[in-house]
Amino acid sequence: DAGVIQSPRHEVTEMGQEVTLRCKPISGHNSLFWYRQTMMRGLELLIYFNNNVPIDDSGMPEDRFSAKMPNASFSTLKIQPSEPRDSAVYFCASSPLQLMNTEAFFGQGTRLTVV
Amino acid sequence: KQEVTQIPAALSVPEGENLVLNCSFTDSAIYNLQWFRQDPGKGLTSLLLIQSSQREQTSGRLNASLDKSSGRSTLYIAASQPGDSATYLCAVMDSNYQLIWGAGTKLIIKP
Repeated sequence: DAGVIQSPRHEVTEMGQEVTLRCKPISGHNSLFWYRQTMMRGLELLIYFNNNVPIDDSGMPEDRFSAKMPNASFSTLKIQPSEPRDSAVYFCASSPLQLMNTEAFFGQGTRLTVV
Repeated sequence: KQEVTQIPAALSVPEGENLVLNCSFTDSAIYNLQWFRQDPGKGLTSLLLIQSSQREQTSGRLNASLDKSSGRSTLYIAASQPGDSATYLCAVMDSNYQLIWGAGTKLIIKP
């Protein structure tokens, strides 16, 4: 398996534009997580899904952020409209459903810059 | 509320030395603890996972220990190499199945 695949790797956009980040989890993994990493706040969990269903989105900072998982092999994180303070590295991770006994596997991340 | 702390924030040692990275957590009700490595501009790579019932795990030159009662974990790196230079993060999985992260230790191994 190629691991968790995120696209794009880098995104530069102007303030106010819509940004869509994509993630393909490892095949067979039932849980998917979106994280944001900044220098100031470290790694923060934004939202996670079990079996394509959002379980906890309390980490989503504002209504400008939304995430979907239409099927087991694809998820998106959308920011609309984007703001400079959204600039960060966004990571997607997946793991098997039995969370307590398994590792989380991370993608390479998407570095987002909003100017 | 679970909090994870890593000390030191940065560490620089000569090549060949053995070293220890520390991770502490405030709530012992965890499912597991995981050590990750992050290289600049890259994703997170899982190094070792210790279940709450285990006391240590080993992989090559890496050994991670877990003392739940005291809320501590250590990552021991033997015979350090320049390629070990990276940021090392620990994360605990809490009772809500969420990963709570430390801020990381930036490690530099000097040739």
